[in-house]
Amino acid sequence: GAVVSQHPSRVICKSGTSVKIECRSLDFQATTMFWYRQFPKQSLMLMATSNEGSKATYEQGVEKDKFLINHASLTLSTLTVTSAHPEDSSFYICSAWGNSGGRSTDTQYFGPGTRLTVL
Amino acid sequence: AQSVSQHNHHVILSEAASLELGCNYSYGGTVNLFWYVQYPGQHLQLLLKYFSGDPLVKGIKGFEAEFIKSKFSFNLRKPSVQWSDTAEYFCAVSSGGYQKVTFGTGTKLQVIP
Repeated sequence: GAVVSQHPSRVICKSGTSVKIECRSLDFQATTMFWYRQFPKQSLMLMATSNEGSKATYEQGVEKDKFLINHASLTLSTLTVTSAHPEDSSFYICSAWGNSGGRSTDTQYFGPGTRLTVL
Repeated sequence: AQSVSQHNHHVILSEAASLELGCNYSYGGTVNLFWYVQYPGQHLQLLLKYFSGDPLVKGIKGFEAEFIKSKFSFNLRKPSVQWSDTAEYFCAVSSGGYQKVTFGTGTKLQVIP
């Protein structure tokens, strides 16, 4: 089945630094990807929709200059947390819709998530 | 805007007991409905989905869900749970293919052997 990977799985950084998280669709092309964050014991909150070759669409309350999204190819979207602060510590998850074997998929596939800890 | 409510936050059952997790959604148009499961330490996996057709949807691992349009509900059921069903379950809704998915707050299921 379709697989979505994320790298790194865990990252610890100092306050003020930037962190890049990669999301890849491994066996299908993903024209649309989504970035979520999940706080402990809470549900997934959609941050932004990433469309290949165009600007991402951010949800209300999400700072686009802080959470930079680049979807440069049909298999890769990146999320960069700029000037990270402790309150940015969270679990970041990506997901993808796309085409598999020439047919449109009708299911979102999720990556395993990236645990970000900002000291 | 679409929203999803899961009223059971934490459910504890003994093995072989029957399960029903409630899910209600709010959206005025056509909806696609999903149940996802997250096992401890693992990523989200799709249990089942409803797009159209038969409102009783069967998924993996013996789970099923029934879409009741008049009640805006999509409850998840399993007649006999196993210890391996211990996980967190998320109901979700989208307005169509390739559209963003809104998740409920999740229900943590604990099955006692």
